[in-house]
Amino acid sequence: DQQVKQNSPSLSVQEGRISILNCDYTNSMFDYFLWYKKYPAEGPTFLISISSIKDKNEDGRFTVFLNKSAKHLSLHIVPSQPGDSAVYFCAASARTDSWGKLQFGAGTQVVVTP
Amino acid sequence: GAGVSQSPSNKVTEKGKDVELRCDPISGHTALYWYRQSLGQGLEFLIYFQGNSAPDKSGLPSDRFSAERTGGSVSTLTIQRTQQEDSAVYLCASSTGQFNQPQHFGDGTRLSIL
Repeated sequence: DQQVKQNSPSLSVQEGRISILNCDYTNSMFDYFLWYKKYPAEGPTFLISISSIKDKNEDGRFTVFLNKSAKHLSLHIVPSQPGDSAVYFCAASARTDSWGKLQFGAGTQVVVTP
Repeated sequence: GAGVSQSPSNKVTEKGKDVELRCDPISGHTALYWYRQSLGQGLEFLIYFQGNSAPDKSGLPSDRFSAERTGGSVSTLTIQRTQQEDSAVYLCASSTGQFNQPQHFGDGTRLSIL
């Protein structure tokens, strides 16, 4: 049962433009959401997170938006850079479920072209 | 070191053999998690430790899988009588154990069962 879904397996964007990655979830108990970036042969690297009491969190070029009523979150990267080419995973956890255990989406491969 | 360390980075073994995977978390992190990523899949939760105890083992796929953590630090994941479907990247993560704090991942062990 896939509780976190990333429906776009890949995304191609030009350098300097905005990258928008989407994530949907089904479990209404989720109250903490994260985005991770992964390069080949490396572990996921934490990028940015958002608590369910907020609808937006910003860190430099990265902004995460949360729409609880739609059970949807998105990651905006502005401007996109070649080093942003990686797989991005959306993850979620519920305070009531094993303290921080993460449910992951399948990932979106982002390619930033010159 | 400053990050989560996993060893070995790669392991190739024959079907039916036992394997042990090691994780050294970030110093001071009380929570430790094991995940695995099979080819083309997202990350799948296996087990969670808080200190030396494992409140949630629900993700372990069979009784051939076990894990332990000693001294509140290093953890080992053991797979007995390996099968080809066990081939995956096994990832370890640690966190402070407080909610709304991100997990930080090691680079994983790539396990290949021949």
